[in-house]
Amino acid sequence: KQEVTQIPAALSVPEGENLVLNCSFTDSAIYNLQWFRQDPGKGLTSLLLIQSSQREQTSGRLNASLDKSSGRSTLYIAASQPGDSATYLCAVSQGGSEKLVFGKGTKLTVNP
Amino acid sequence: GAVVSQHPSWVICKSGTSVKIECRSLDFQATTMFWYRQFPKQSLMLMATSNEGSKATYEQGVEKDKFLINHASLTLSTLTVTSAHPEDSSFYICSARAANQFFGPGTRLTVL
Repeated sequence: KQEVTQIPAALSVPEGENLVLNCSFTDSAIYNLQWFRQDPGKGLTSLLLIQSSQREQTSGRLNASLDKSSGRSTLYIAASQPGDSATYLCAVSQGGSEKLVFGKGTKLTVNP
Repeated sequence: GAVVSQHPSWVICKSGTSVKIECRSLDFQATTMFWYRQFPKQSLMLMATSNEGSKATYEQGVEKDKFLINHASLTLSTLTVTSAHPEDSSFYICSARAANQFFGPGTRLTVL
Protein backbone atom coordinates (compact mmCIF):
# COMPACT_ATOMS: atom_id res chain seq x y z
CA LYS A 1 0.00 0.00 0.00
CA GLN A 2 1.41 3.34 -1.07
CA GLU A 3 2.20 5.75 1.73
CA VAL A 4 3.31 9.35 1.27
CA THR A 5 5.20 11.22 3.97
CA GLN A 6 5.98 14.91 4.05
CA ILE A 7 8.65 16.52 6.17
CA PRO A 8 8.56 18.89 7.93
CA ALA A 9 4.95 19.10 9.05
CA ALA A 10 5.32 22.83 9.53
CA LEU A 11 7.91 25.41 8.57
CA SER A 12 8.24 29.08 9.39
CA VAL A 13 10.74 31.25 7.53
CA PRO A 14 11.47 34.94 7.04
CA GLU A 15 10.56 36.54 3.77
CA GLY A 16 13.16 36.18 1.05
CA GLU A 17 14.54 32.87 2.22
CA ASN A 18 14.93 29.89 -0.11
CA LEU A 19 13.38 26.70 1.22
CA VAL A 20 12.92 23.02 0.47
CA LEU A 21 9.94 20.83 1.23
CA ASN A 22 10.36 17.08 1.23
CA CYS A 23 8.10 14.25 0.13
CA SER A 24 8.79 10.54 0.23
CA PHE A 25 6.75 7.58 -0.99
CA THR A 26 7.05 3.90 -0.25
CA ASP A 27 6.22 2.36 -3.64
CA SER A 28 8.43 3.64 -6.44
CA ALA A 29 6.08 2.33 -9.15
CA ILE A 30 4.35 5.65 -9.61
CA TYR A 31 2.79 7.17 -12.71
CA ASN A 32 3.35 10.77 -11.70
CA LEU A 33 3.83 13.03 -8.71
CA GLN A 34 2.12 16.34 -8.09
CA TRP A 35 2.65 19.21 -5.72
CA PHE A 36 -0.43 21.15 -4.65
CA ARG A 37 -1.06 24.23 -2.64
CA GLN A 38 -4.00 24.41 -0.22
CA ASP A 39 -5.06 27.63 1.45
CA PRO A 40 -7.04 27.40 4.72
CA GLY A 41 -10.54 26.04 4.14
CA LYS A 42 -9.97 25.99 0.40
CA GLY A 43 -9.53 23.46 -2.34
CA LEU A 44 -6.30 22.48 -4.02
CA THR A 45 -4.29 24.30 -6.65
CA SER A 46 -1.93 22.20 -8.71
CA LEU A 47 1.55 23.68 -8.75
CA LEU A 48 3.71 21.18 -10.57
CA LEU A 49 3.25 17.74 -12.06
CA ILE A 50 6.21 15.46 -12.72
CA GLN A 51 5.78 12.39 -14.87
CA SER A 52 7.61 9.28 -13.70
CA SER A 53 10.07 9.61 -16.60
CA GLN A 54 10.98 13.18 -15.66
CA ARG A 55 13.52 14.40 -13.13
CA GLU A 56 12.23 17.90 -12.47
CA GLN A 57 9.74 20.58 -13.36
CA THR A 58 9.97 24.32 -12.93
CA SER A 59 7.38 27.05 -12.72
CA GLY A 60 8.48 30.54 -11.78
CA ARG A 61 10.07 30.43 -8.34
CA LEU A 62 9.11 26.79 -7.86
CA ASN A 63 11.21 23.79 -8.79
CA ALA A 64 10.21 20.22 -8.09
CA SER A 65 12.52 17.26 -8.43
CA LEU A 66 11.78 13.58 -8.52
CA ASP A 67 14.03 10.64 -7.70
CA LYS A 68 11.71 7.74 -8.33
CA SER A 69 14.19 5.01 -7.44
CA SER A 70 14.70 6.39 -3.96
CA GLY A 71 11.06 7.40 -3.53
CA ARG A 72 11.73 11.07 -2.97
CA SER A 73 10.66 14.43 -4.27
CA THR A 74 11.53 17.94 -3.21
CA LEU A 75 9.80 21.25 -3.80
CA TYR A 76 12.19 24.18 -3.86
CA ILE A 77 10.74 27.65 -3.36
CA ALA A 78 13.06 30.53 -4.15
CA ALA A 79 12.86 33.97 -2.57
CA SER A 80 9.83 33.13 -0.47
CA GLN A 81 7.06 35.69 -0.03
CA PRO A 82 4.27 36.05 2.56
CA GLY A 83 1.83 35.11 -0.18
CA ASP A 84 3.47 31.70 -0.34
CA SER A 85 2.06 30.90 3.10
CA ALA A 86 -0.16 27.85 2.68
CA THR A 87 -0.13 24.09 3.12
CA TYR A 88 1.78 22.26 0.42
CA LEU A 89 0.63 18.76 -0.45
CA CYS A 90 2.46 16.06 -2.32
CA ALA A 91 0.48 13.34 -4.10
CA VAL A 92 1.39 10.34 -6.24
CA SER A 93 -0.62 8.29 -8.66
CA GLN A 94 0.02 4.68 -9.50
CA GLY A 95 0.32 3.38 -13.04
CA GLY A 96 -3.03 2.60 -14.64
CA SER A 97 -4.91 4.36 -11.90
CA GLU A 98 -6.10 7.93 -11.51
CA LYS A 99 -6.19 7.60 -7.76
CA LEU A 100 -4.06 10.10 -5.91
CA VAL A 101 -2.42 9.23 -2.61
CA PHE A 102 -1.67 12.34 -0.60
CA GLY A 103 0.75 13.21 2.15
CA LYS A 104 -0.41 15.15 5.18
CA GLY A 105 1.21 18.29 3.91
CA THR A 106 3.71 20.88 5.08
CA LYS A 107 2.25 24.06 6.52
CA LEU A 108 4.46 26.94 5.41
CA THR A 109 4.44 30.35 7.02
CA VAL A 110 6.51 33.11 5.45
CA ASN A 111 6.92 36.02 7.83
CA PRO A 112 7.21 39.58 6.48
CA GLY B 1 -8.50 27.06 -17.13
CA ALA B 2 -10.68 24.23 -15.91
CA VAL B 3 -12.91 25.23 -13.00
CA VAL B 4 -14.68 22.96 -10.57
CA SER B 5 -17.26 24.31 -8.15
CA GLN B 6 -18.84 22.82 -5.05
CA HIS B 7 -22.05 23.70 -3.31
CA PRO B 8 -22.53 24.40 -0.52
CA SER B 9 -19.18 25.67 0.71
CA TRP B 10 -20.20 24.88 4.27
CA VAL B 11 -23.13 23.21 5.97
CA ILE B 12 -24.19 22.55 9.53
CA CYS B 13 -26.80 19.89 10.18
CA LYS B 14 -28.31 17.90 12.99
CA SER B 15 -27.35 14.32 13.63
CA GLY B 16 -29.53 11.92 11.68
CA THR B 17 -30.26 14.20 8.76
CA SER B 18 -28.98 13.83 5.20
CA VAL B 19 -26.82 16.33 3.39
CA LYS B 20 -26.23 16.64 -0.35
CA ILE B 21 -23.06 18.16 -1.78
CA GLU B 22 -22.80 19.11 -5.44
CA CYS B 23 -19.67 19.09 -7.58
CA ARG B 24 -19.77 20.77 -10.98
CA SER B 25 -17.25 21.10 -13.75
CA LEU B 26 -18.02 24.56 -15.11
CA ASP B 27 -16.22 24.71 -18.43
CA PHE B 28 -15.48 21.12 -19.34
CA GLN B 29 -17.09 17.73 -19.34
CA ALA B 30 -15.86 15.14 -16.90
CA THR B 31 -16.68 11.49 -17.28
CA THR B 32 -14.90 10.84 -14.02
CA MET B 33 -15.08 12.74 -10.76
CA PHE B 34 -13.51 11.89 -7.44
CA TRP B 35 -14.66 12.50 -3.88
CA TYR B 36 -12.11 13.02 -1.10
CA ARG B 37 -12.44 13.58 2.62
CA GLN B 38 -9.98 15.44 4.79
CA PHE B 39 -10.02 15.33 8.58
CA PRO B 40 -8.07 17.98 10.52
CA LYS B 41 -4.32 17.56 10.21
CA GLN B 42 -4.81 14.46 8.07
CA SER B 43 -4.24 13.64 4.41
CA LEU B 44 -6.92 13.88 1.80
CA MET B 45 -8.32 10.40 1.49
CA LEU B 46 -10.07 9.19 -1.62
CA MET B 47 -13.59 8.03 -0.81
CA ALA B 48 -14.94 7.05 -4.21
CA THR B 49 -14.60 7.42 -7.94
CA SER B 50 -17.73 8.64 -9.68
CA ASN B 51 -18.30 7.64 -13.29
CA GLU B 52 -20.97 9.25 -15.42
CA GLY B 53 -23.80 6.88 -16.12
CA SER B 54 -22.57 4.06 -13.92
CA LYS B 55 -22.18 3.13 -10.30
CA ALA B 56 -19.47 4.73 -8.23
CA THR B 57 -16.45 2.76 -7.10
CA TYR B 58 -15.87 3.05 -3.36
CA GLU B 59 -12.57 2.75 -1.55
CA GLN B 60 -12.14 0.13 1.12
CA GLY B 61 -13.79 1.12 4.37
CA VAL B 62 -16.18 3.65 2.82
CA GLU B 63 -19.83 2.69 3.26
CA LYS B 64 -21.60 2.97 -0.09
CA ASP B 65 -25.02 3.02 1.54
CA LYS B 66 -24.03 5.94 3.73
CA PHE B 67 -22.26 8.01 1.10
CA LEU B 68 -24.49 7.99 -1.96
CA ILE B 69 -22.92 9.21 -5.16
CA ASN B 70 -24.81 10.16 -8.30
CA HIS B 71 -23.07 11.24 -11.50
CA ALA B 72 -26.06 11.91 -13.68
CA SER B 73 -24.40 14.19 -16.20
CA LEU B 74 -20.96 14.99 -17.56
CA THR B 75 -20.78 18.15 -15.46
CA LEU B 76 -22.41 17.18 -12.16
CA SER B 77 -21.73 14.66 -9.43
CA THR B 78 -23.46 14.68 -6.06
CA LEU B 79 -22.45 13.17 -2.75
CA THR B 80 -25.21 12.57 -0.21
CA VAL B 81 -24.22 11.85 3.35
CA THR B 82 -27.16 9.91 4.73
CA SER B 83 -28.05 9.87 8.43
CA ALA B 84 -25.07 12.04 9.22
CA HIS B 85 -23.36 11.73 12.58
CA PRO B 86 -20.77 13.93 14.28
CA GLU B 87 -17.95 11.64 13.14
CA ASP B 88 -18.89 12.49 9.54
CA SER B 89 -17.89 16.09 10.19
CA SER B 90 -15.07 16.75 7.76
CA PHE B 91 -13.93 18.69 4.73
CA TYR B 92 -15.20 17.07 1.54
CA ILE B 93 -13.43 17.88 -1.72
CA CYS B 94 -14.28 16.75 -5.21
CA SER B 95 -12.16 16.70 -8.30
CA ALA B 96 -13.00 16.31 -11.95
CA ARG B 97 -10.76 14.80 -14.55
CA ALA B 98 -9.95 16.52 -17.79
CA ALA B 99 -6.33 16.08 -18.86
CA ASN B 100 -5.48 16.27 -15.18
CA GLN B 101 -7.54 16.36 -12.03
CA PHE B 102 -8.99 19.74 -11.10
CA PHE B 103 -10.18 20.22 -7.56
CA GLY B 104 -13.18 22.01 -6.19
CA PRO B 105 -12.95 24.45 -3.27
CA GLY B 106 -14.34 21.94 -0.79
CA THR B 107 -17.36 21.71 1.49
CA ARG B 108 -17.04 21.93 5.26
CA LEU B 109 -19.61 19.65 6.90
CA THR B 110 -20.34 19.98 10.60
CA VAL B 111 -22.79 17.54 12.15
CA LEU B 112 -24.11 18.55 15.56
